[in-house]
This record gives sequence, C-alpha cells and structure tokens, in this order.
Amino acid sequence: GAGVSQTPSNKVTEKGKYVELRCDPISGHTALYWYRQSLGQGPEFLIYFQGTGAADDSGLPNDRFFAVRPEGSVSTLKIQRTERGDSAVYLCASSLAANTDTQYFGPGTRLTVL
Amino acid sequence: DQQVKQNSPSLSVQEGRISILNCDYTNSMFDYFLWYKKYPAEGPTFLISISSIKDKNEDGRFTVFLNKSAKHLSLHIVPSQPGDSAVYFCAASGGSNYQLIWGAGTKLIIKP
Repeated sequence: GAGVSQTPSNKVTEKGKYVELRCDPISGHTALYWYRQSLGQGPEFLIYFQGTGAADDSGLPNDRFFAVRPEGSVSTLKIQRTERGDSAVYLCASSLAANTDTQYFGPGTRLTVL
Repeated sequence: DQQVKQNSPSLSVQEGRISILNCDYTNSMFDYFLWYKKYPAEGPTFLISISSIKDKNEDGRFTVFLNKSAKHLSLHIVPSQPGDSAVYFCAASGGSNYQLIWGAGTKLIIKP
C-alpha cells in the first residue's frame, strides 16, 4: 500500500523567503508528526497532530515555523523568513494513533537555504 | 544534553558475522525503545522495538536487548547481510509521550 509521501523531495531557497513543505500520511492514520534532521544528527521532534489539531507544537524552534492539517490528512509545514540554519531534512511520519504506535516515515524534504 | 547516545558513528562487519549496535540513554522515564534503519535518500524504517517490561525482543535475524539498570540497549543482527548496510537509529519515548528522542545514528557497513 502507499506509504507516507512528501513533496518536494528537494527545495532550494534564498534566505528570507517563505517555503511550504507537504506531507501525505498513510490513509487512515490519525496521528502525524514532523521532525527535522540536521547532518550527522538524529531526527528532532517539531510538532504532532492528532486529527486536525496540533496536540503538541513544543518542538517548533520559533514563531517562523507553523504547520497545519486542516482536514486531518495532508499536512503542510510552513517556514517564514527562512534562515541558513533552517537547512536540514524535514521528515514527516504518521501512525494509526499516538502513544507507542509505530511511526512510519516519509522520504523527507531536503531544504537548502542559500 | 543528549538523552539518547549512540557512541559509534560507524561499524564495519564481515558478511555472515554478528553485528552489534549499541545505544545508551540517560532519562529513566523512558519506557519504550525502538530501532530504525535508514538508507540514503529514504526516511527511517521501523525495525524492532522493546518495552521496558521486557529485556529481550526477537524478530528473525534481529534481537534487541535492554539493560535497564545500565540504561543500555543493543541491537544484534545475525547473520549480517549486505542489505543490512545502512544507518541505524536508536529512539526512545516515555510513558504516553509520543515524542521520540533519537540518537545520532550508527552507520553499519557489511563487507562481502
């Protein structure tokens, strides 16, 4: 069956620009997560959705980062006024429910801010 | 402060031998541990997990061991195969907390 998909696979932008990263979770999965992975590091939690609502956005680094999931399926991670330090791979995962359900990851979006 | 540590950035093992990947954690509230495998340009893929009520979980060639007193877990792969070459991440969570805290990963290279 279809896994988690993310678009675009690569995004190059200039400092100060706005970007949107999209995640299509596995059909029927109610929980959706965004992580950020910098080079040589493990993924870092950004935000978690249960259904349409952001149940936990404590991992978002600052108010330039925002994410939505208006219909409880597709999610968009939005980054305003991008900075070079935002360059990373942004990973999306989904699970059937929350807690200890296995999280299934998409291939990620590699964001490069010049 | 890293709560989950994988101290070996890389490991090279002969095909057919045992691969042992290690992971240490500091947070005693962690009660669920997972191993993920990652190929280049792909997202992490779930491999195996273990709850803190167990000290061993086995799935085919993969076995995870948990030593709670030492706050240490390890992943054993026997026998190692070329397709096992990847980066392996250890991750942990605590209680009903869905947030996974990840190690930095260990790159496993299986030599033919």
